[in-house]
Amino acid sequence: DTEVTQTPKHLVMGMTNKKSLKCEQHMGHRAMYWYKQKAKKPPELMFVYSYEKLSINESVPSRFSPECPNSSLLNLHLHALQPEDSALYLCASSQPVGGWEQFFGPGTRLTVL
Amino acid sequence: QKEVEQNSGPLSVPEGAIASLNCTYSDRGSQSFFWYRQYSGKSPELIMSIYSNGDKEDGRFTAQLNKASQYVSLLIRDSQPSDSATYLCAVNRVDDYKLSFGAGTTVTVRA
Repeated sequence: DTEVTQTPKHLVMGMTNKKSLKCEQHMGHRAMYWYKQKAKKPPELMFVYSYEKLSINESVPSRFSPECPNSSLLNLHLHALQPEDSALYLCASSQPVGGWEQFFGPGTRLTVL
Repeated sequence: QKEVEQNSGPLSVPEGAIASLNCTYSDRGSQSFFWYRQYSGKSPELIMSIYSNGDKEDGRFTAQLNKASQYVSLLIRDSQPSDSATYLCAVNRVDDYKLSFGAGTTVTVRA
């Protein structure tokens, strides 16, 4: 069983909708990540939070808005997405130091119509 | 030149054989090396991490690291059909949160 959980498992949204992806980790980690993965490609880093502060933004469009309410929760707010944003969105967590193991959640499969 | 390169697949091996996966990286500052297994439609699962030169064994999996040659490999002994998946090599520096992934190698174990 994964100790990083994500909800929902699947999400279908229109281009004008606003939705949120949620992630929770129970590993005591203080670094949390959002990745995007397209079919047959490796995960691409979007955001990193360290000690609840945004540490890395990989030049992600503003239609994706991350939030870290506390040390175990991570949200990704979605607004005005495009069909090309359809992908598997993965949350991960690690110790708050670069170079440590990252553990992924099960992901949210997002489809934008 | 890509930062992390993996041997192109797909790799097909008979059940019970050894599957050998290779990965090279370009950043000599890399200090942490990981292998993830990803089943179709699922998320990556960490199966091995290695930080020092040499071999590290965990069950049927052995990771090998050679920093001088900038090379890391994964051996899967006694391959089982349940090992059929895409294997992702990932590396990063000790001072960096960002993992650099290879493109992945898809392994199929034939019964």
